[in-house]
Amino acid sequence: EVQLVESGGGLVQPGGSLRLSCAASGFTFSSFWMSWVRQVPGRGLEWVANIKQDGSEKYYVDSVKGRFTISRDNAKNSLYLQMNSLRAEDTAVYYCGRDLVYGGNCFRDYWGQGTLVTVSS
Amino acid sequence: DIQMTQSPSSVSASVGDRVTITCRASQGISSWLAWYQQKPGKAPKLLIYAASSLQSGVPSRFSGSGSETDFTLTISSLQPEDFATYYCQQANSFPRTFGQGTKVEIK
Repeated sequence: EVQLVESGGGLVQPGGSLRLSCAASGFTFSSFWMSWVRQVPGRGLEWVANIKQDGSEKYYVDSVKGRFTISRDNAKNSLYLQMNSLRAEDTAVYYCGRDLVYGGNCFRDYWGQGTLVTVSS
Repeated sequence: DIQMTQSPSSVSASVGDRVTITCRASQGISSWLAWYQQKPGKAPKLLIYAASSLQSGVPSRFSGSGSETDFTLTISSLQPEDFATYYCQQANSFPRTFGQGTKVEIK
């Protein structure tokens, strides 16, 4: 059974940093693209970042470029999101996800349960 | 960036109704579109990928169609467990973008 378990969320002051982790199990982690998607409570979904199987390609939404870094450790079956210079508008539930590769592109087929990040003084 | 626009933003329907949700891309995305269902307090769930491929385990009353800029999610006979919010997402290019969501409510 595929499982994705996020951790690391919490309350942080504006300008602060936080590192989210996602522990993966039930599949060959190193064979899949992985991603982060966030959702402001009560609002819609926003894609944040993607990372290729070997970490050689990374993509970010413009609003987090230069502040957030996605990374992975295939030996530990873990995905990370390092978030620096946090802003109030980064407050959201952050979902880790596995991306299913299909025909040269990828679709998120499994989601974690999410971890809440609150940026407030 | 590719903009995704869903309509309607909400729909009221009864059990047994046929429900159709549309998603329009601001530029052609071939068939690189997914549909997700989200229930309150839960993570989204993949229903359809590549515009019309049904994800394993998803009931056959869900179907997707379309290509390039115009896409449709259809629920052929709405069931009580289908009341939720539905999102489309393009997977043609980065940044990935979602539609704003369509809430399916009980009439």
